[in-house]
Amino acid sequence: DIQMTQSPSSVSASVGDRVTITCRASQGISSWLAWYQQKPGKAPKLLIYAASSLQSGVPSRFSGSGSGTDFTLTISSLQPEDFATYYCQQANSFPTFGGGTKVEIK
Amino acid sequence: QLQLQESGSGLVKPSQTLSLTCAVSGGSISSGGYSWSWIRQPPGKGLEWIGYIYHSGSTYYKSSLKSRVTISVDRSKNQFSLKLSSVTAADTAVYYCARGYGDYGDAFDIWGQGTMVTVSS
Repeated sequence: DIQMTQSPSSVSASVGDRVTITCRASQGISSWLAWYQQKPGKAPKLLIYAASSLQSGVPSRFSGSGSGTDFTLTISSLQPEDFATYYCQQANSFPTFGGGTKVEIK
Repeated sequence: QLQLQESGSGLVKPSQTLSLTCAVSGGSISSGGYSWSWIRQPPGKGLEWIGYIYHSGSTYYKSSLKSRVTISVDRSKNQFSLKLSSVTAADTAVYYCARGYGDYGDAFDIWGQGTMVTVSS
């Protein structure tokens, strides 16, 4: 199985901050990476697919980049509704998820 | 707008079989280009993909669960199902069904709300 390692596991930030989350794959996955946002008690929501494509309806402050083994999710200006846990997921082979990054209020 | 809804037993005894169903509404489970997955999340932990079934009927399972998992589809009812045998407390989790969209690299674009399954005697 391909292992996905996210960092940091948690980050404290303020409204308006730029937040960057990284995800590293244990082997190359081309651009087959997705990012999800999950709020407590809710199902995950797709934000980014194919490493950098924004899902319909997702605000443009979210962006994704990377290919191969190293990927980044960036929130350009954190909004109150963005406090949540974020997961990466590779789709190059059978799906595996990163361990998650909790974005908390500073 | 396609929607997914999980249903099934919320409490299962150890060593028994967990059974869940995901009803698909607003679209056909037989449409090409999609996969239909089960994903779980133990309390306070991360997400774990269990397996999926393609519109063709082909199934693929996580290797560590393969001996205990069966995913099947009932096209007449527009739903797919999960059976997980010989459950233990480690199988306690919220179970989600989700659609994988081939054009998105099989990213999961639609999810059910999730159903909590507790394994306990």
